Amino acid sequence: LQLVESGGDLVKPGGSLRLSCVASGFNLNTYTMNWVRQAPGGGLEWVSCIDSSSNYINYAGSVKGRFTISRDNAENSLYLQMNNLGVDDTAVYYCARDFNWGIVNAYDIWGQGTMVTVSS
Amino acid sequence: EIVMTQSPATLSVSPGERATLSCRASQSVSIHLAWYQQKPGQAPRLLIYGASTRATGIPARFSGSGSGTDFTLTISSLQSEDFAVYYCQQYTNWPPWTFGQGTKVELK
Repeated sequence: LQLVESGGDLVKPGGSLRLSCVASGFNLNTYTMNWVRQAPGGGLEWVSCIDSSSNYINYAGSVKGRFTISRDNAENSLYLQMNNLGVDDTAVYYCARDFNWGIVNAYDIWGQGTMVTVSS
Repeated sequence: EIVMTQSPATLSVSPGERATLSCRASQSVSIHLAWYQQKPGQAPRLLIYGASTRATGIPARFSGSGSGTDFTLTISSLQSEDFAVYYCQQYTNWPPWTFGQGTKVELK
């Protein structure tokens, strides 16, 4: 069971980037998926989530209106389109599987992360 | 937004000793609380979900307790591989699903 992110890069302020996350060993289409980021030397910050059918999507306030989460279940993939990037968006971005055990949830599988650096 | 506060920020422990980490929520999260371990350069790893249930493959020396606003992660006898940063996360009905700022467990 594995998640692999890609797409991280150095980008100038105001620029855009698209991150991808590909699942292997399981079908992405039955799970809610999330993006979580971690600034250098910082803690974890939940960024966005999308349910299995893309009917429920939500964003952290810090990225709402700039980031768009999407998925392609046929490709077993998750995406994060990031626009109007600022220096505060510099972070390692992780995708994480949301697993439900009846009434409780947690992120049971994480990717290795992809680094996004926003700098002029 | 529910604020998660972890204490202490850093915990210095000798191998074989017990480590007790705390996490407090700004409002009740019932048992919707998870603990993660993160080592340098690695992704977080799920340790505990539902406040007290160990995830698959997690050693029995890790235990979680609490409900409502106060939670504890206990490592009964610290091993060398347990030196890491530990995060709690609340997972109630509505996002954002916030994390605590982390507790670093370091070698004393």
